[in-house]
Amino acid sequence: GIQVEQSPPDLILQEGANSTLRCNFSDSVNNLQWFHQNPWGQLINLFYIPSGTKQNGRLSATTVATERYSLLYISSSQTTDSGVYFCAVAAGNNRKLIWGLGTSLAVNP
Amino acid sequence: NAGVTQTPKFRILKIGQSMTLQCTQDMNHNYMYWYRQDPGMGLKLIYYSVGAGITDKGEVPNGYNVSRSTTEDFPLRLELAAPSQTSVYFCASREGGRETQYFGPGTRLLVL
Repeated sequence: GIQVEQSPPDLILQEGANSTLRCNFSDSVNNLQWFHQNPWGQLINLFYIPSGTKQNGRLSATTVATERYSLLYISSSQTTDSGVYFCAVAAGNNRKLIWGLGTSLAVNP
Repeated sequence: NAGVTQTPKFRILKIGQSMTLQCTQDMNHNYMYWYRQDPGMGLKLIYYSVGAGITDKGEVPNGYNVSRSTTEDFPLRLELAAPSQTSVYFCASREGGRETQYFGPGTRLLVL
């Protein structure tokens, strides 16, 4: 089955710093999604990005499907960016999401 | 729209007890999913439904049952709770033809 790997597993930033999170996937997919799980456990869909680049405020994401990776950029990080960032790909007829293990981000004031 | 709602938010069960986790969505989505998230892990699919009256197993269905009598509701039933079912349970839904899944706030379950 499809494997999804994320790096780094943990990241600590000072407020205002920039960061790049990476997601590698094992098979050709066209449906990668990025999620943020806040410290209270809520999962928020950040991007549906099968290919190309999208931006939403201080966040942007790029997927290069032919090379099987996606990047999530966080610029000018804020303490509210803390939490776990997951990438996931949909597979099968039921479109179940296959998840990476996440990158745990802590932004210190 | 309230989106996807789940109740309860937190529950403690004794081994062998049963309970139902409720999930409701008001977006008229056909597809609904139940996932569980164990500490430090991503989510794993328990059951899913492609519409009212149609359900199917995911990766980790043992110990759970579901029903889908309406488009809005997708309850998850735990029979004979076991400590291995201690987890956070998320319900999600999506519109047919679209990939984005929308998640509820989760139910934290502790089985002692």
